[in-house]
This record gives sequence, structure tokens and C-alpha cells, in this order.
Amino acid sequence: QKEVEQDPGPLSVPEGAIVSLNCTYSNSAFQYFMWYRQYSRKGPELLMYTYSSGNKEDGRFTAQVDKSSKYISLFIRDSQPSDSATYLCAMRTSNDYKLSFGAGTTVTVRA
Amino acid sequence: NAGVMQNPRHLVRRRGQEARLRCSPMKGHSHVYWYRQLPEEGLKFMVYLQKENIIDESGMPKERFSAEFPKEGPSILRIQQVVRGDSAAYFCASSPGTGIDGYTFGSGTRLTVV
Repeated sequence: QKEVEQDPGPLSVPEGAIVSLNCTYSNSAFQYFMWYRQYSRKGPELLMYTYSSGNKEDGRFTAQVDKSSKYISLFIRDSQPSDSATYLCAMRTSNDYKLSFGAGTTVTVRA
Repeated sequence: NAGVMQNPRHLVRRRGQEARLRCSPMKGHSHVYWYRQLPEEGLKFMVYLQKENIIDESGMPKERFSAEFPKEGPSILRIQQVVRGDSAAYFCASSPGTGIDGYTFGSGTRLTVV
């Protein structure tokens, strides 16, 4: 079993739709949860990060963490063609610098 | 303020050759991390270095792979006697400390072994 499992996709949605991305994990020691966006042939770019359980909102993006279910989500509202990218979830324990990544979900937003 | 610079962007090597991947961290960043991304897989941690020190190389294959971050110059990831299975994207990240806020990735080096 992989330490971090991410819905594989790909996802294709019309412009303006809500995009929902999910990851599950097995290590209950994970405390920091991140979402990265990776455009084709580019490096990952940090979008959101949250500590422990709860919700965090930043513009059109909302990150949710449910530690009791070991489940995290990223929602993108009013999606735009510029949101087309691969989204990677990542997490780490409080004592570690190493990130454990999901395999990524590729999202295409159709104009 | 340049970001994390990696070069070359693309590297083609024949089996058995050596590959050298370079990473210049962001200005003011003294912590460097290397990750490898295989097709259809997430990024996997390889090694964490500070200037002149390897802090954690637990993700590095024991054979053929080595990394350094000298006092002057970029960090180098070296792969000796490359094999087809080494074909991947190699990403470097840097941070001023170990907090996640400052963890910035470069655009990667795509290694193809033919």
C-alpha cells in the first residue's frame, strides 16, 4: 500500500465548474498537508498548505483536511483554463523535512 | 530574484555513461533537496543537503548515485553508469530553513537514458 494515494484522473471539466481533488494517506503522524500545482514541463508550485485538520481558503481554492479519516481535498471554484495542470498532494510529519507526494491528478478545464 | 535554477533542462545519456545534474538554490537558501519523479508516480525524496554536508540520503539508491553541495557553486546530483530505469525528471528544491513555506522547486532536469 502506498503511503499517499491520490485519485488518478484525468479530470476534464468545463470552464466555471468546481474541481474536486482528493488524497488519502496511511501515516497518522502526518501533520502538514500541501497541494502543489505542476504545469507541463515545470516544477511543482506550492498552492496551499494546512496544519492538522480543518479548512483553509485562498481565493478560488479551498483545502480541507480530515485527519480522523486520513483524507484531504482541494476544491477549485469557478475553474479557468489556466487552472489546467497536474495537482499533487503532499504531506509530512512535524519533525520531518521530507515530503510524501501523491502521484498527481491531471486537470483540464475546457473553455 | 531568480528562483531555483536547474540545468540542463534535458539530458540524454547512453547506458553506462555518467549524468551530472546541477542545482543552484535561491539566493539566501542554504538547504537543498533532490526529488525524482518517475512516469505516473509522485515525487520521491532522494537527498537533503546543506552547504558541504549531506544531512539525509535515505532516498538515494546505494549504488551509482551521489550528491554534493560544495561551499562554492551549485549542488550536483551525479549518476554513474546510467541505466534505462534512471530515466526520470529530477527536481531540486531549496529553502532558507526546514519550514515548508520556503520550499521552492526548480523546473527540473529530464534525464533520458537510451
